[in-house]
Amino acid sequence: EAGVTQSPTHLIKTRGQQVTLRCSPISGHTSVYWYQQALGLGLQFLLWYDEGEERNRGNFPPRFSGRQFPNYSSELNVNALELEDSALYLCASSLVWSYNEQFFGPGTRLTVL
Amino acid sequence: SQQGEEDPQALSIQEGENATMNCSYKTSINNLQWYRQNSGRGLVHLILIRSNEREKHSGRLRVTLDTSKKSSSLLITASRAADTASYFCAMNRDDKIIFGKGTRLHILP
Repeated sequence: EAGVTQSPTHLIKTRGQQVTLRCSPISGHTSVYWYQQALGLGLQFLLWYDEGEERNRGNFPPRFSGRQFPNYSSELNVNALELEDSALYLCASSLVWSYNEQFFGPGTRLTVL
Repeated sequence: SQQGEEDPQALSIQEGENATMNCSYKTSINNLQWYRQNSGRGLVHLILIRSNEREKHSGRLRVTLDTSKKSSSLLITASRAADTASYFCAMNRDDKIIFGKGTRLHILP
């Protein structure tokens, strides 16, 4: 069974640009979560999608947004990139209504210059 | 803040020794999980303990939960070089999951 996949693996952008990160959950999982992990820090919860709806949102500005598609894959969009957006962005999936175990993807390393 | 705090922030031990990491939190939880992260990669789920459980085992891992003290511990017995990683606790409450900042564990040969 394929795990959670994310693309791209690495990305370099400049300040002010926009970026889109992609995530495909494990087959059968309807919930997708996005986290930001800045260097040396823990995971900061960004967004949770389930059945195409945004269920919860972390303490991030509106320029962080996303969506979930009918096949449960998800995109994370970040507009007007700032230097401090440089981080590892992790996607995780789980069965609906189950926070029992989240399965994580390998992450996308975003560098903003 | 509901964020958990791991203790210690970093830990270095000799291979074969036991490693103990602690996690404290501030509000009631439904369950608590421990994850491992190897060098900037995705997280791997290790073990989940529910709020009505006090102890769970999985292989060389032993997790305890004390809801009265709002704390949990992760014990790795007979450590191996491959255990070198960062370990995070994650607290589930209702529709939120909050990760701690992690403990960096380094196993010395």
